[in-house]
Amino acid sequence: KAGVTQTPRYLIKTRGQQVTLSCSPISGHRSVSWYQQTPGQGLQFLFEYFSETQRNKGNFPGRFSGRQFSNSRSEMNVSTLELGDSALYLCASSFGTSGIQYFGAGTRLSVL
Amino acid sequence: QQPVQSPQAVILREGEDAVINCSSSKALYSVHWYRQKHGEAPVFLMILLKGGEQKGHDKISASFNEKKQQSSLYLTASQLSYSGTYFCGTGEDTGNQFYFGTGTSLTVIP
Repeated sequence: KAGVTQTPRYLIKTRGQQVTLSCSPISGHRSVSWYQQTPGQGLQFLFEYFSETQRNKGNFPGRFSGRQFSNSRSEMNVSTLELGDSALYLCASSFGTSGIQYFGAGTRLSVL
Repeated sequence: QQPVQSPQAVILREGEDAVINCSSSKALYSVHWYRQKHGEAPVFLMILLKGGEQKGHDKISASFNEKKQQSSLYLTASQLSYSGTYFCGTGEDTGNQFYFGTGTSLTVIP
């Protein structure tokens, strides 16, 4: 069974640009959660999607948005990038919200 | 509500034991434990469900006290491979909420 796939693995952007990250969950998993991780910080929850609906949202500005498609694949978008958005973005899929979270390898975003 | 972990960091010598605690202010249905090695994604270790059970495999075990909304991860006879950051994740009883804890950095030295 294929694991969680995140693309791209690395991204370099400049301030003001926007970026879209992609996550393909494990087959059969309907829940996809996104996390931001910066050095020394824990896993900061961004949002969770379940069956194409955003079910939970963390405390991030509106520049961060996401969506989920009918095949459970999810995208995360960050508009008007700021230097502070540089981070590792992790996506995790699970069967349900409180199910075991299976993480992708992450997308490392650098904003210059 | 993000659970709080303690300690924030711990350094052990090989063979020593460690306990990592996870505490929530909300009633919990489940507690998960994950380990993240440097440069890698977090990996699931174990899940404990409401009922106060204790689980373990090899030399890593955990307990869940649902009345206190607390969980503890026990690492015995630590090995170098145990190094990493440990996160608890909590599923709340009241609805579809899941949060990761603040993390505990564990370093095992020879």
